Amino acid sequence: QVQLQESGPGLVKPSETLSLTCAVSGYSISSNYYWGWIRQPPGKGLEWIGSIYHSGSTYYNPSLKSRLTISVDTSKNQFSLRLSSVTTADTAVYYCARVRVAATVGFDYWGQGTLVTVSS
Amino acid sequence: QSALTQPASVSGSPGQSITISCTGTSSDVGYYDYVSWYQQHPGKAPKLMIYEVSNRPSGVSYRFSGSKSGNTASLAISGLQAEDEADYYCSSYTSSTLNVFGTGTKVTVL
Repeated sequence: QVQLQESGPGLVKPSETLSLTCAVSGYSISSNYYWGWIRQPPGKGLEWIGSIYHSGSTYYNPSLKSRLTISVDTSKNQFSLRLSSVTTADTAVYYCARVRVAATVGFDYWGQGTLVTVSS
Repeated sequence: QSALTQPASVSGSPGQSITISCTGTSSDVGYYDYVSWYQQHPGKAPKLMIYEVSNRPSGVSYRFSGSKSGNTASLAISGLQAEDEADYYCSSYTSSTLNVFGTGTKVTVL
């Protein structure tokens, strides 16, 4: 059974860097799937952030690319997200997920999500 | 890249069938067979219901089916049940931003 769990600070100050980690259990992150991040502002819809393969190959949402870094640690079976220069618009529930289709669509296993609030 | 367009709400009585539309463009829904559908209950993570237009993941009820015609994809739910009340989102691969989600549809079981 594939399980994902997000972790990281729930509160980040404006202009600082948001950092989250997704720990994967029950499945090897080095298998033939991409792994992704998706976010959802309170009361709003979903937004794809980016995806990564165990080799380190990445795809980023162009609207976030200049502030975004996604990395993978196969030894710990986890992958991470760093989003710099955050503003209140980055306040959202952040989900990590396994990507079933085409590296950027079709997320079949999800973490429970973690709320990150950007506020001073 | 604008979000895919979905109706804000759809409702039906138990046992009825409903359809949710998802309208995009010739650069996303109309070109690629990479349309997915998600169900999201309040406070929960989304659940993949359909991928690649019409494929159901293991464990998803046969009552859920997907299709596509031109730039519009559709999710049909037959034999509507109380547990189907949730928000539904479509998603598509797109050449410009690689992924675009729909605006979301709230399904109400009357």
